[in-house]
Parts: sequence; C-alpha cells; structure tokens
Amino acid sequence: KNEVEQSPQNLTAQEGEFITINCSYSVGISALHWLQQHPGGGIVSLFMLSSGKKKHGRLIATINIQEKHSSLHITASHPRDSAVYICAVRDGGSQGNLIFGKGTKLSVKP
Amino acid sequence: DGGITQSPKYLFRKEGQNVTLSCEQNLNHDAMYWYRQDPGQGLRLIYYSQIVNDFQKGDIAEGYSVSREKKESFPLTVTSAQKNPTAFYLCASSIAGTDTQYFGPGTRLTVL
Repeated sequence: KNEVEQSPQNLTAQEGEFITINCSYSVGISALHWLQQHPGGGIVSLFMLSSGKKKHGRLIATINIQEKHSSLHITASHPRDSAVYICAVRDGGSQGNLIFGKGTKLSVKP
Repeated sequence: DGGITQSPKYLFRKEGQNVTLSCEQNLNHDAMYWYRQDPGQGLRLIYYSQIVNDFQKGDIAEGYSVSREKKESFPLTVTSAQKNPTAFYLCASSIAGTDTQYFGPGTRLTVL
C-alpha cells in the first residue's frame, strides 16, 4: 500500500513556467517534508510543514490537513530547478520515522 | 565545514561478500539513519540510532547490520544474507526529537 502518493511522476516544463507538484497521504501525520534530490543523488530539505503555507524564494509549499494533501509550487522555473522532488510525512504514531513518496522528476528546459 | 559524509561514492562487490558503508557526521547530531533507494521507489528505512550504543531496526533491516560506537559514526554492513543489495544507500542525521534530517551524498553499491 502506498501511504504517500505523489503526482505527477514525471514533469517537463519550459523555463519560466509555474510548476505544481502534489502529495497526498493516507496516515495521520505530525509533519510533512518536501525534499529535493539533485541528479548526483544528494538530498536537501526544502520545507517542513504542519499547517498552512511556507515560502522560500521561488518555492511555495502548502498543506491542507483536512484533505491530507500538500502542494509544492515553483514560480518562474529555471533549468537549475531540475531535480527529483520528494514528499515525506512523519507518521504521527511513530518515533520520528519518515514515510517517503516515490518522488516527482522535474525537468525544466531552457 | 559541518556536514555528513559517506564514502565511497561508488562501490563494487562480488556476490557473497560483506561490505561496510561509511557514514560520518560532525553536526553533533544524536540521531542517525540509513535508507535504501531503488529506482521508482521511495526511500526505505534500514536502521536508525537515536543515541550512541543503541539502534533500532527500520522497515527493511534483514540482511543488514549497524553499529553506533561513536556519536559521529554509523557504519552500515551489507551482509551476504541481503538478497538484492544493489541500490543507492543514503545516510542521514538529525537533532534528537526534531524532524529535519540532513542527508549525506549517498553510496551507490553494485554487487556483481
């Protein structure tokens, strides 16, 4: 069973486009994370959310706890945004263990 | 420079051999984690440790072993009992009781 579902799996965009990546989850959570994995494999944490909305530069993350859904938006996309974006949730009943989505592979063309 | 390092980046081993992957952090984090990533799948937790000399099995611990003798080090041994060891292995650390994990660059293990 997939407790964290991301859509789309793959996304190709032209430079400058507005991008939305979605994450739905089925478990009760205490926090949701958005992570970015670069082509070389390294992962960096972008956001941690438990409610509402967060913004960092051109990245915006929102979460709707009632609907168990989160979105990651990228405004004015750039080729350097090309990466795999991973949604992960902290299971409210577990000791800090994260449950990861399969990731969304984003390619931004110049 | 504070961070988390994994070595080597690429590792090749023959089937039936044990292999140990290194993970070191100088962030003074108490908690450390090992994940496995396979194509088309999310990261899966192998083992985690929240304090020195203590560790717990994750979701896919069979065929793996770890030690946590020092706060900064959490090596992972992939044993010959692991049926499908070829994968990308990621180590992470965090401040105890907090959610944000800091990841190393990963080790790509190929068993021939």
